[in-house]
Amino acid sequence: GENVEQHPSTLSVQEGDSAVIKCTYSDSASNYFPWYKQELGKRPQLIIDIRSNVGEKKDQRIAVTLNKTAKHFSLHITETQPEDSAVYFCAASGAAGNKLTFGGGTRVLVKP
Amino acid sequence: SAVISQKPSRDICQRGTSLTIQCQVDSQVTMMFWYRQQPGQSLTLIATANQGSEATYESGFVIDKFPISRPNLTFSTLTVSNMSPEDSSIYLCSGGQGGSYEQYFGPGTRLTVT
Repeated sequence: GENVEQHPSTLSVQEGDSAVIKCTYSDSASNYFPWYKQELGKRPQLIIDIRSNVGEKKDQRIAVTLNKTAKHFSLHITETQPEDSAVYFCAASGAAGNKLTFGGGTRVLVKP
Repeated sequence: SAVISQKPSRDICQRGTSLTIQCQVDSQVTMMFWYRQQPGQSLTLIATANQGSEATYESGFVIDKFPISRPNLTFSTLTVSNMSPEDSSIYLCSGGQGGSYEQYFGPGTRLTVT
């Protein structure tokens, strides 16, 4: 089955700096890669996703890149703000409507 | 996006008892899933809830312990049976439309077993 590894497990950045979280996956058949943000006590929220036919996707201050050959994808947050502090999870899926396999999560702390 | 609710939001139960968690979606969704999230950990898929047929369980999870029902395209239940303290966790349901990749989560049910 699919295995997703996520690094780093914790990330502390100064407000205004950039944050990068990296994930690798094992199943070359995976073709959908979402990122979720989970604030303390809240549900995971889908913040951005990318499909395997796209190399990069951007939405305001967040962007995701995908390298299919190397089987890794990354989340980039620019101009970080205190409200970006949360746990971020990457995931991988093999087909539309199919189950997600999650990475271990990254706890991001943005220091003012 | 689908709006998903769960009941109860939290519960404290005694070992040996069972708890049924309900998941309601505001629109019909093809796929529904149940996850477990232990404190400070990632999400682990328990099973895929299939409408009109038996759920598909992941390795390490069995129907006798986690029976699931899905009577229609907007509702599912997960029962945690014969609970032990190790079952203390947050249980989340998610839903997604067939043909669409996006999955959305319910708020979770925080279960404490004493």
